[in-house]
Amino acid sequence: EPEVTQTPSHQVTQMGQEVILRCVPISNHLYFYWYRQILGQKVEFLVSFYNNEISEKSEIFDDQFSVERPDGSNFTLKIRSTKLEDSAMYFCASSGGGVGTEAFFGQGTRLTVV
Amino acid sequence: EDQVTQSPEALRLQEGESSSLNCSYTVSGLRGLFWYRQDPGKGPEFLFTLYSAGEEKEKERLKATLTKKESFLHITAPKPEDSATYLCAVSSYNFNKFYFGSGTKLNVKP
Repeated sequence: EPEVTQTPSHQVTQMGQEVILRCVPISNHLYFYWYRQILGQKVEFLVSFYNNEISEKSEIFDDQFSVERPDGSNFTLKIRSTKLEDSAMYFCASSGGGVGTEAFFGQGTRLTVV
Repeated sequence: EDQVTQSPEALRLQEGESSSLNCSYTVSGLRGLFWYRQDPGKGPEFLFTLYSAGEEKEKERLKATLTKKESFLHITAPKPEDSATYLCAVSSYNFNKFYFGSGTKLNVKP
């Protein structure tokens, strides 16, 4: 069964360092998303991406964040200068049925900023 | 303001004891309502999509229903392996994103 894969599963980084979280969406999907979940809290939307551009972004997704689809299979989230409050699980998701249809999530990257 | 509220926050059941989880939503231009299962430290696992009031979907011991204001996830004769957090999310025709509720943490005791 096709699945969304994320790497690494766990990343520890020092405050102020740059991190790149990687995702391989389901191969025929066209809509891509990043969400995050701080321990014990809701799953929060960060950004959606379609046709090689951002379609929506939340207030959380400020200038420190960027997304890229560098080739036909990968989708990345970069945090330029990490802060302690960026510590969370980051989930990548993809959807193949159009805007607002079901999305399939990866297993997440646990980011710990120390 | 678009939002999703789930209740109860936590639910403890004995194996075989059926119950229902609630998801109330307020969203302009509802596109779909989704149920996911999340195990600790894992990503949300897709269960159901409901698109219109009156629609029902079933999978094993789970059945999801939808009205114009809320959705229910009915669990019939649950087993310990059904223990997880169940998340509800909605999408809108107006925005390309999902709004998630806080989830219901289900614990099924043998």
